[in-house]
Amino acid sequence: SYVLTQPPSVSVAPGQTARITCGGNNIGSKSVHWYQQKPGQAPVLVVYDDSDRPSGIPERFSGSNSGNTATLTISRVEAGDEADYYCQVWDSSSDLHVFGGGTKLTVL
Amino acid sequence: EVQLVESGGGLVQPGRSLRLSCAASGFTFDDYAMHWVRQAPGKGLEWVSGISWNSGSIGYADSVKGRFTISRDNAKNSLYLQMNSLRAEDTALYYCAKDSDGSANRYFDYWGQGTLVTVSS
Repeated sequence: SYVLTQPPSVSVAPGQTARITCGGNNIGSKSVHWYQQKPGQAPVLVVYDDSDRPSGIPERFSGSNSGNTATLTISRVEAGDEADYYCQVWDSSSDLHVFGGGTKLTVL
Repeated sequence: EVQLVESGGGLVQPGRSLRLSCAASGFTFDDYAMHWVRQAPGKGLEWVSGISWNSGSIGYADSVKGRFTISRDNAKNSLYLQMNSLRAEDTALYYCAKDSDGSANRYFDYWGQGTLVTVSS
């Protein structure tokens, strides 16, 4: 089955840029979606279809996808961005939705 | 405002059954696919099952296939998950999630707050 690999943790200082990667075999051929989950809360969609943002999500959140790596980029990181972030794809070969293992973003 | 409210969770013994429900409001329910996604304590997200707008397409994670059954009642704006032969590893917070379209193969644009299922003797 298709596997998505994320780093367990990423740390960044306030005001800097955080990049969270999601690796998968030829992931560039798939649509990648990203979710933010704060402690005790349900996940929230922050990026869909590689780089689109739902309404209400700040422009600081952006995404890219090419080759074997998709990336969620958070610019001008704020303390409120501290959360777990998950990537997700639909694997058409297996008809399954797949999540990455999640990345904990720590704002120093 | 989209609202998804799960219910039916609780403590259940291994091998027993449980039925989860999700009441949806704030959108045209029968236009969209729906899903169940779970999260074991301290762990990541795991897709469990999805169902298209008209129940014509249904999918399950390998971990639950043959034990869980997803269904929906569009007249009642409700989604269900019948869970049989429960195991300790099914212990998790179960989220109901709305798909972005009717086909069940896109992304999850709204989530409920979850209902906790604990499988233990």
